[in-house]
Amino acid sequence: AQSVTQLDSQVPVFEEAPVELRCNYSSSVSVYLFWYVQYPNQGLQLLLKYLSGSTLVKGINGFEAEFNKSQTSFHLRKPSVHISDTAEYFCAVILNTGFQKLVFGTGTRLLVSP
Amino acid sequence: DGGITQSPKYLFRKEGQNVTLSCEQNLNHDAMYWYRQDPGQGLRLIYYSQIVNDFQKGDIAEGYSVSREKKESFPLTVTSAQKNPTAFYLCASSIENSGRNIQYFGAGTRLSVL
Repeated sequence: AQSVTQLDSQVPVFEEAPVELRCNYSSSVSVYLFWYVQYPNQGLQLLLKYLSGSTLVKGINGFEAEFNKSQTSFHLRKPSVHISDTAEYFCAVILNTGFQKLVFGTGTRLLVSP
Repeated sequence: DGGITQSPKYLFRKEGQNVTLSCEQNLNHDAMYWYRQDPGQGLRLIYYSQIVNDFQKGDIAEGYSVSREKKESFPLTVTSAQKNPTAFYLCASSIENSGRNIQYFGAGTRLSVL
């Protein structure tokens, strides 16, 4: 069975500092990878996705992620965070087979302070 | 404005009562989904529908029911059999992109028990 692991439940960082949110997955088949962001009491917004092609994916709000097949990782990065980036971030995968069920990690809360 | 509309934003349920959460989309998406979100647990799939008049159970369907009579609408009923209904409920719909389903989310409904 596939699974998604977000090891850090919370990541505190100062404004304008770089940040990396970690995501690892396990699957015996090829996967497609996503990062979503959730602001308080709101739905999920798609930040970026990896379907195929270049392993470095750029998303909205200055975020990017790199697909690393050998390490089964899809870490999210931003070189300089803003206060407004404070939110919950979810990594998710879908299998390349059968019904494309989206499996989510447990989320990482990014806390940006001045 | 195209999007996914969930209503109400907040809902309260009395003991033994069934309540229905509304989800409407005007994106012309074929597939729709319901997720439950609890703190620290990420999102879990309740039901999904890939086409009108057809739907499938997800991972935690017990105590819930759905219908899909129209392409635009996928209401979720939380029945009295669901003993722990307090959660944030998210509806999503998806479009195919290069053979993968990309899911987009509504703003959510927060259900509490009185």
